[in-house]
Amino acid sequence: ETGVTQTPRHLVMGMTNKKSLKCEQHLGHNAMYWYKQSAKKPLELMFVYNFKEQTENNSVPSRFSPECPNSSHLFLHLHTLQPEDSALYLCASSQSKDGGANVLTFGAGSRLTVL
Amino acid sequence: GQNIDQPTEMTATEGAIVQINCTYQTSGFNGLFWYQQHAGEAPTFLSYNVLDGLEEKGRFSSFLSRSKGYSYLLLKELQMKDSASYLCAVMDSNYQLIWGAGTKLIIKP
Repeated sequence: ETGVTQTPRHLVMGMTNKKSLKCEQHLGHNAMYWYKQSAKKPLELMFVYNFKEQTENNSVPSRFSPECPNSSHLFLHLHTLQPEDSALYLCASSQSKDGGANVLTFGAGSRLTVL
Repeated sequence: GQNIDQPTEMTATEGAIVQINCTYQTSGFNGLFWYQQHAGEAPTFLSYNVLDGLEEKGRFSSFLSRSKGYSYLLLKELQMKDSASYLCAVMDSNYQLIWGAGTKLIIKP
């Protein structure tokens, strides 16, 4: 257990479905992140929240919609996804967004398959 | 553009030593990180280097040369549990993390 919990661990959805990924951290961190991890590719940063405010949206398609109700919880709402969106979605948290030694603590990820 | 290069896959023998290299070209530099990721698990932090030189932490050591844009992770006395992917990441001048694609390390008995 890393202190960052993601649910569900596995999700299969059709292109017309709507689903949500949930992330919760018990570390007292102020920054939370969504990353996409595809096989043999670098981690892709999707969204960053710092003190509940979204600070970055890296040109992510609108079919991905983040929500951060408080510093401990982060959601990723999914709708009308494409098969190429199939990947491992990782949530991470850190003490703050800025600073050199900004160590990220990751969850185990949600494996998404879009049919 | 910004780029991190590391080998895709490496194989080593239990009990041996392996060195995983990482070269980078980024806009500025605010530190280099190594993470370990076992299959199906969360990436976990291994080391952070911001100054040139070697940082040792038990069986694992990480080296940085900023002038060469180069780092390596050295794993000694390899154990089967060291089979994992090793991710190199550099923090640029805007405190953005630039990630490599990871090196899958396979340990054989």
